[in-house]
Amino acid sequence: GQNIDQPTEMTATEGAIVQINCTYQTSGFNGLFWYQQHAGEAPTFLSYNVLDGLEEKGRFSSFLSRSKGYSYLLLKELQMKDSASYLCAPMDSNYQLIWGAGTKLIIKP
Amino acid sequence: SQTIHQWPATLVQPVGSPLSLECTVEGTSNPNLYWYRQAAGRGLQLLFYSVGIGQISSEVPQNLSASRPQDRQFILSSKKLLLSDSGFYLCAWSVSPGHSTGELFFGEGSRLTVL
Repeated sequence: GQNIDQPTEMTATEGAIVQINCTYQTSGFNGLFWYQQHAGEAPTFLSYNVLDGLEEKGRFSSFLSRSKGYSYLLLKELQMKDSASYLCAPMDSNYQLIWGAGTKLIIKP
Repeated sequence: SQTIHQWPATLVQPVGSPLSLECTVEGTSNPNLYWYRQAAGRGLQLLFYSVGIGQISSEVPQNLSASRPQDRQFILSSKKLLLSDSGFYLCAWSVSPGHSTGELFFGEGSRLTVL
């Protein structure tokens, strides 16, 4: 079956660094997406990894290891506006995204 | 640039009443279109997707249906709502696989409460 596992909730301090982990099992693999979703709003695209390694985009970086079925999202210099849910979504062999329940990130001053 | 809009943003409906949510995409042609539902504290559940006019694939059997009467219009309907239909409904579009990374672009969402 297809499965996504990521922590339900994490707490971090403003200005700090946080790493959100995601492990996955899918039928085939065509890359992995990270989306950010603020409460009551639609998800917005953060990153896409299809090859192993680290992709950096400003304060956000995403890492992928296909052999381990593992990805993480790294957020640096945390700001209060980063309080949101972060959704890990690998794409299966049919090009369909498989969605986890997301990690709710709480930023404290 | 491409835009996606869905409406209404919020609605409260009694059990047994009909439903119609509408979604339109501008600035692109022949998009893949999707309807998702998100229950509180849970992941996105794919309900329907469409690769072209009149082509609808259903992922979850239920009392909902979808239609694509025009290339950039996607409609989610129900003849009789159930309490379990409450949730946050999201329309999304993507470029066909093979032409892009398959990134999804979401509409603003429609929050449905069935009483």
